[in-house]
Amino acid sequence: NAGVTQTPKFRVLKTGQSMTLLCAQDMNHEYMYWYRQDPGMGLRLIHYSVGEGTTAKGEVPDGYNVSRLKKQNFLLGLESAAPSQTSVYFCASSYVAGGLEQFFGPGTRLTVL
Amino acid sequence: EDQVTQSPEALRLQEGESSSLNCSYTVSGLRGLFWYRQDPGKGPEFLFTLYSAGEEKEKERLKATLTKKESFLHITAPKPEDSATYLCAVQKSNFGNEKLTFGTGTRLTIIP
Repeated sequence: NAGVTQTPKFRVLKTGQSMTLLCAQDMNHEYMYWYRQDPGMGLRLIHYSVGEGTTAKGEVPDGYNVSRLKKQNFLLGLESAAPSQTSVYFCASSYVAGGLEQFFGPGTRLTVL
Repeated sequence: EDQVTQSPEALRLQEGESSSLNCSYTVSGLRGLFWYRQDPGKGPEFLFTLYSAGEEKEKERLKATLTKKESFLHITAPKPEDSATYLCAVQKSNFGNEKLTFGTGTRLTIIP
């Protein structure tokens, strides 16, 4: 059981470039989430999904898009990266009938120059 | 607006020196309060969920408690391996709102 995995672990982009972060979970969880973590600000929710084919906006969705074509995968896209998107990105998943807790992946450290 | 404030920001303890971390929260209708541990360069690791005032949960040297306004994470006789950042988060009670609101964490260092 790998839990929640994220690829890549590190990435450096130039302003205006695009990229996709991949999150995969093997726990058969219905809900999946993307957060960003910045110094002094705590984790903030970007987008989330309550099931295959569904997505919803979180607290800081601007500049990001997401897709959930398969239950086990949740993709986060940056169409035109900006320096303000330099951050550590975490994916999480949870089981809707469980105890509400979310299980996190190891993170992707993104730097936009 | 939901708010979570953790104190202190950083805490240094000698090995074996017990203490408590505080999480004060403001949320309209609490569905659950969560404690996570985060090691440098890693994702948050789930520790506890508390659902109602008066509830307590324990795991090894950690004990979490909950009142209507705050939660405490008590650490008893800590060891160096307990060094980490401890995060608190709350979730609202309205169905479909799955957002966790996180505090900024307490960075705990246990000195051998």
